[in-house]
Amino acid sequence: NAGVTQTPKFQVLKTGQSMTLQCAQDMNHNSMYWYRQDPGMGLRLIYYSASEGTTDKGEVPNGYNVSRLNKREFSLRLESAAPSQTSVYFCASSWGLLGTEAFFGQGTRLTVV
Amino acid sequence: EDQVTQSPEALRLQEGESSSLNCSYTVSGLRGLFWYRQDPGKGPEFLFTLYSAGEEKEKERLKATLTKKESFLHITAPKPEDSATYLCAVTYNQGGKLIFGQGTELSVKP
Repeated sequence: NAGVTQTPKFQVLKTGQSMTLQCAQDMNHNSMYWYRQDPGMGLRLIYYSASEGTTDKGEVPNGYNVSRLNKREFSLRLESAAPSQTSVYFCASSWGLLGTEAFFGQGTRLTVV
Repeated sequence: EDQVTQSPEALRLQEGESSSLNCSYTVSGLRGLFWYRQDPGKGPEFLFTLYSAGEEKEKERLKATLTKKESFLHITAPKPEDSATYLCAVTYNQGGKLIFGQGTELSVKP
């Protein structure tokens, strides 16, 4: 039982390049999330998906897009990477949005040069 | 503004020295308060969920409590392996998703 799996674990991009971060969960959860974590800023929500077929913006959505491919998978795309997007990205999933705990992946450390 | 604030930012303890971490929240319609532990280079690991004022949860040396405005994570006789960053998060009616505090970095020295 893997839980939440993120790929890749590490990535270096040049400014302007694009990439997609992949996330899959095997817990049959309805809701999925993408967060970024920066020193001194805590975990900030980028986008979330309450259920299959829906996505909504979080606190810091600019420069990102997401796709809820199916119930298991939720991807995050950077169309034109900027140095300000250098961060650690975490995917998480939960049964629902309210009142249920979320389980996190191991993170993707992204550096944009 | 709806927010979650944790204090202190960093806490250094000697092994066996009990203490508490604080998480205060200013949201209406709390639907759940969550505590997580995060080790360096890893994702947050779920510890506890609290739903209503007066509720308490325990796990080994950790005890979480909840009031109408804040939650405490009490650490009794900590050990070096308890060193980590502890994160607090909430879901609430108007927010609709999980928001986090900044975290408390705990260091326990032998």
